[in-house]
Amino acid sequence: AQTVTQSQPEMSVQEAETVTLSCTYDTSESNYYLFWYKQPPSRQMILVIRQEAYKQQNATENRFSVNFQKAAKSFSLKISDSQLGDTAMYFCAFMTSYNQGGKLIFGQGTELSVKP
Amino acid sequence: ETGVTQTPRHLVMGMTNKKSLKCEQHLGHNAMYWYKQSAKKPLELMFVYSLEERVENNSVPSRFSPECPNSSHLFLHLHTLQPEDSALYLCASSQDPLAGDTQYFGPGTRLTVL
Repeated sequence: AQTVTQSQPEMSVQEAETVTLSCTYDTSESNYYLFWYKQPPSRQMILVIRQEAYKQQNATENRFSVNFQKAAKSFSLKISDSQLGDTAMYFCAFMTSYNQGGKLIFGQGTELSVKP
Repeated sequence: ETGVTQTPRHLVMGMTNKKSLKCEQHLGHNAMYWYKQSAKKPLELMFVYSLEERVENNSVPSRFSPECPNSSHLFLHLHTLQPEDSALYLCASSQDPLAGDTQYFGPGTRLTVL
C-alpha cells in the first residue's frame, strides 16, 4: 500500500528563521509526483511546491524548497525567512502517474506556527 | 470568478434531509475531484471525474451521489447522512489526472449533520 507519513504533528518557528518539515512515503512505483500543500485557517488548500520523481534536481519556489531523496523515500520542505503568513497546516501528498485516476494520497499534516 | 469555487460554504442538515454541494472550476481543466477532510484524519479521495466520466469511486457509501454534467461543474448529492459524515468537503480540478498534473482546490464546504 502507498502511504505518506508526516512525523511532526506541530512545529513552531520564529519569524525570519528557517524551518524544515519532514515527509516520508512508501511506494513500489518508479514514476510518481510529490506535492506540498498549505492549508491556512481559511481552509483553502494551496499548492506550495511540486516535484516529479524522475527529476533529480530539487524543486524551488521562492522561499520554499524541497530536499528530495528518492532512495530514502524522503521529501522534506524547507521554508526560509519564515513569515507570519506561513502559519498554516502543511500537507505532503503523493500521486502515481497512471491507472490511479489522479489519486492524491495525503499525510496527516504538520501544523506550523510562525511566531513574531 | 477565478479558480475553483464551492457553494455553499457552510451547510447544516438533519439526517433525513437531501442537499447538494456544488463545485465549479474556471481553469479549463478536464478532471474534477471530491475529497473529504475529517478532523484528525488525512484527506480522503471520494470521487474522480475525467471528461465527465467517473474514473474512481473510492468505496464511498451510496448516500453520497456525485454528478458531473460537464467538465466545469461537479455536484455531490447528499441524502440520509450520518453524524460521522460531518466534515469539510473539498473539490479540486486538474488538467490531466493521468499525467500527475497539479490539483487545484476550492475553499470547501463545511458540512454538519445533526
